[in-house]
Amino acid sequence: AQRVTQPEKLLSVFKGAPVELKCNYSYSGSPELFWYVQYSRQRLQLLLRHISRESIKGFTADLNKGETSFHLKKPFAQEEDSAMYYCALRWPRVSSNTGKLIFGQGTTLQVKP
Amino acid sequence: DVKVTQSSRYLVKRTGEKVFLECVQDMDHENMFWYRQDPGLGLRLIYFSYDVKMKEKGDIPEGYSVSREKKERFSLILESASTNQTSMYLCASSKPGLASTGELFFGEGSRLTVL
Repeated sequence: AQRVTQPEKLLSVFKGAPVELKCNYSYSGSPELFWYVQYSRQRLQLLLRHISRESIKGFTADLNKGETSFHLKKPFAQEEDSAMYYCALRWPRVSSNTGKLIFGQGTTLQVKP
Repeated sequence: DVKVTQSSRYLVKRTGEKVFLECVQDMDHENMFWYRQDPGLGLRLIYFSYDVKMKEKGDIPEGYSVSREKKERFSLILESASTNQTSMYLCASSKPGLASTGELFFGEGSRLTVL
């Protein structure tokens, strides 16, 4: 079965330190991968998608099909990055007609001053 | 400002009660979803709907049902609430098919406590 795994429940770093939030998936084809973020007292929202190859708020993520990973990285963490981050997967042709996403367990990022 | 609105932010119910969670979106989206969010388990899909009166089970549909009588409204029903249904419930909507970029638009959530 398709699965998204985020091995870390909590990642705590100091301001200015590099950040890497890990995401691994199990799927034999070519899925679409996403990162969603939920800041305190705000609704869950899209951060970035692998297909766009964009950098949002200094975050980037590269899809590594060989390692089936989609880790989220930022070179210098800021306090305002503190939030819950979810990795999500959608596989084309099967569920693109519904837009259904499978989410990982989530990682809380805590950036200390 | 486009929005997904969940009518109840906080509910406290007793075991065995029937519970309705309402969700309305103003983006004319065909797809609507109900997820539950639990610490350590992430988001798990309960049900989704890709058109009016159309619904499909997600990964954890047991104990839940849904209703989609109008395009903008998607309701989650707990026929007989149990304590293990205490959770945060998130509604989301998206465009359909190839028009979908994969972006889901979420509501603020409904935190349900079953005593």
